[in-house]
Amino acid sequence: SQTIHQWPATLVQPVGSPLSLECTVEGTSNPNLYWYRQAAGRGLQLLFYSVGIGQISSEVPQNLSASRPQDRQFILSSKKLLLSDSGFYLCAWSVWGSSTDTQYFGPGTRLTVL
Amino acid sequence: QKEVEQDPGPLSVPEGAIVSLNCTYSNSAFQYFMWYRQYSRKGPELLMYTYSSGNKEDGRFTAQVDKSSKYISLFIRDSQPSDSATYLCAMSGGGGADGLTFGKGTHLIIQP
Repeated sequence: SQTIHQWPATLVQPVGSPLSLECTVEGTSNPNLYWYRQAAGRGLQLLFYSVGIGQISSEVPQNLSASRPQDRQFILSSKKLLLSDSGFYLCAWSVWGSSTDTQYFGPGTRLTVL
Repeated sequence: QKEVEQDPGPLSVPEGAIVSLNCTYSNSAFQYFMWYRQYSRKGPELLMYTYSSGNKEDGRFTAQVDKSSKYISLFIRDSQPSDSATYLCAMSGGGGADGLTFGKGTHLIIQP
């Protein structure tokens, strides 16, 4: 069966510090991978998605970046965090080539920028 | 006009009641419809998936799609306190790597 991991679970960082969040998927090959941010009352905001190693599409211009160094690894980064980067960050995967686009979510990382 | 509209709630009902959660959408190309359940401080989990119009039942849960009205529903029978969560609808036209369009979620509270 497939499993998706995210770490850390919780993070408190000062403004201006760097960020690295990691997501890994087990039990599937060549998944589509996604990063979302969920802020209170604002729903899920798609930040990045990837259909393969090194292939990243950005949905929202911001100070965040994403990388996919391995088939089942997806990393969200920032060089300098802003207060507005606080939120609940979710990684998700879907089957490559699926007609349904059904996505499966990880447990999330709660980021607080102070 | 937003692509997917969903009442944020909170919706509070007594235990044992039938719950109706709904979403409306504007994109007629959507043909795959999903419901996710999200407990507080957790990631969303897939609850139900339906294709095109019609009903699908899974235990106490029934998903209903009316494409002519661009309206989808999730019914929960014999609601339990453990059903208290945020329910998100999601939909897609299919085959697009950029994936799903989500509603903002309805916060449901089942009172014991």
